[in-house]
Amino acid sequence: EVHLVESGGGLVEPGRSLRLSCTASGFNIGDYHLSWFRQAPGKGLEWVGFVRGKTSGGTTVYAASVQGRFTISRDDSKNIAYLQMNSLKPEDTAMYYCARGPGFYAYWGQGTMVTVSS
Amino acid sequence: QSVLTQPPSVSAAPGQKVTISCSGDSSNIGSNYVSWYQQLPGTAPKLLIHENNKRPSGIPDRFSGSKSGTSATLGITGLQTGDEADYYCESWDSSLSAELFGGGTKLTVL
Repeated sequence: EVHLVESGGGLVEPGRSLRLSCTASGFNIGDYHLSWFRQAPGKGLEWVGFVRGKTSGGTTVYAASVQGRFTISRDDSKNIAYLQMNSLKPEDTAMYYCARGPGFYAYWGQGTMVTVSS
Repeated sequence: QSVLTQPPSVSAAPGQKVTISCSGDSSNIGSNYVSWYQQLPGTAPKLLIHENNKRPSGIPDRFSGSKSGTSATLGITGLQTGDEADYYCESWDSSLSAELFGGGTKLTVL
């Protein structure tokens, strides 16, 4: 059974960094695109970026709002994907979800909350 | 402001039918597949429709999707109180190289 679990969220001060993890089970993470999404409190869904599967080159694509600050990576040996978030801003406050792609997202984690505040 | 446009809210009585529209342009809906997600309060999104009109296993046929040109529509028949949720359309945008969501539509079953 496919399962995704996010972790690593919490309260962080503006300008600091945080790394989120997405631990997968039931499939090999390297065989699929793995996307990160976020949802600010009371707001809609926003795509953050994705890392392509190995057969698609393992390259990454990011939303303009996080380009240059966020980095998605993957450790296939541990079956974990990461979202490294640097230079965090208050507007990055959101629930962060990982989901398995590509194209459409049938499997999502439960989310991990990130709050950026002093 | 979302590039994909959805009505903020729709409502209908139990047992009735409702449609939710999603409008985009030639760079997204007009040239790529559309997916629809249901999000119940406090939970992760759930895939309802993919590739414009395909239902994943376990999604009842009360839910349907269609696409025409640069617009897509989600239809829900036989409304139930458990269908009260936020619904989002989603499509890849080839010009922006980005996944786009609509702003979401809150369904109320009166």
